[in-house]
Amino acid sequence: QQQVKQSPQSLIVQKGGISIINCAYENTAFDYFPWYQQFPGKGPALLIAIRPDVSEKKEGRFTISFNKSAKQFSLHIMDSQPGDSATYFCAAGRTLGRLYFGRGTQLTVWP
Amino acid sequence: GAVVSQHPSRVICKSGTSVKIECRSLDFQATTMFWYRQFPKQSLMLMATSNEGSKATYEQGVEKDKFLINHASLTLSTLTVTSAHPEDSSFYICSARGWDSQETQYFGPGTRLLVL
Repeated sequence: QQQVKQSPQSLIVQKGGISIINCAYENTAFDYFPWYQQFPGKGPALLIAIRPDVSEKKEGRFTISFNKSAKQFSLHIMDSQPGDSATYFCAAGRTLGRLYFGRGTQLTVWP
Repeated sequence: GAVVSQHPSRVICKSGTSVKIECRSLDFQATTMFWYRQFPKQSLMLMATSNEGSKATYEQGVEKDKFLINHASLTLSTLTVTSAHPEDSSFYICSARGWDSQETQYFGPGTRLLVL
């Protein structure tokens, strides 16, 4: 059973636009929700993370929105830039536990 | 801070040989390290979790005799692929979690393994 479902699989956005990636999780015991950015041939890099006691977290152009009742969370990239073109993974897990990853979203930002 | 390195970055070997991959936390002590495998355009698949000084816990379907994991110190974990075969060719990535962070995993740059 897939613990974390991510959509869309791929996303094309114009420069300056907003990129939105959505994730849904199954286990209500999860209490940590990070997003990772991965460039080809590189390891994932932590972008931003949220805990369920807040509904939104913003760091620069990146915002996580969290809906505990719906068991959903999303990543918003404002003013998307060509340098943001990468694969984005959402994940969910419990404190001191493992992470369950979504299948990834390949984002392409056209100049 | 929170830098994780891997060595080598890429390795090519003949079928039947063993390959060792090192994962180091450079500026923090990693109480837990994780080993992942990633196929092209796919997600990260957790292979095993290791805590310093303890035996690794392998995910279902991962052969522990084939993928030997050692976490001998708080800054070093190794993954040895024994008797490698072409189907073991993949991108192997480690991550580390420090004692002062109960959830954040920092990833290494990955190791590309090609078995001929």
